[in-house]
Amino acid sequence: GQSLEQPSEVTAVEGAIVQINCTYQTSGFYGLSWYQQHDGGAPTFLSYNALDGLEETGRFSSFLSRSDSYGYLLLQELQMKDSASYFCAVRDQEGFQKLVFGTGTRLLVSP
Amino acid sequence: EAQVTQNPRYLITVTGKKLTVTCSQNMNHEYMSWYRQDPGLGLRQIYYSMNVEVTDKGDVPEGYKVSRKEKRNFPLILESPSPNQTSLYFCASSTLGGGAREETQYFGPGTRLLVL
Repeated sequence: GQSLEQPSEVTAVEGAIVQINCTYQTSGFYGLSWYQQHDGGAPTFLSYNALDGLEETGRFSSFLSRSDSYGYLLLQELQMKDSASYFCAVRDQEGFQKLVFGTGTRLLVSP
Repeated sequence: EAQVTQNPRYLITVTGKKLTVTCSQNMNHEYMSWYRQDPGLGLRQIYYSMNVEVTDKGDVPEGYKVSRKEKRNFPLILESPSPNQTSLYFCASSTLGGGAREETQYFGPGTRLLVL
């Protein structure tokens, strides 16, 4: 079976830095993705890590440690518009096309 | 504009009345997928398709059917809807990634279904 764990909610203030963690237990591992979803909207892709290390895309960075079955999404210089839910997702190596999502972390950014 | 479209966006129906939710993408993607989203459970994959006439079950396929007769379309069929299928449904598409190549799934706007 597959399971991904994320904190259910994180709060922060504008301008701050926040880290959203994701630990996974999967029979195989192909890569870890992150998606953002605003209330009432569709998930949108943020980043993808297949190899260990840090990937940076503007204010957002994502990290992966395959030996620890762990990754995180780092959001810097938080803005009010970053208030949303963030999902990590793993693709199982055997069922390559099957994408398993975590239950999501709701980020609340306050002024 | 590259997009995934779904119809209808909102639907109220009754138990047992067959319905179809359409999904179409204009990006020539091989891979398409259906998810349902429920509070506290995140996104769960229902079915996916690697290409025309190639479909497979995701994690929660019971009560659903799909077909992939054309590359751009991937309809979700509920033959006999039940109240536990009340949910928010998303269709998604992507290229078939591989290795360390980045994979991006593009999601449709969602279909909110209520089964009475």
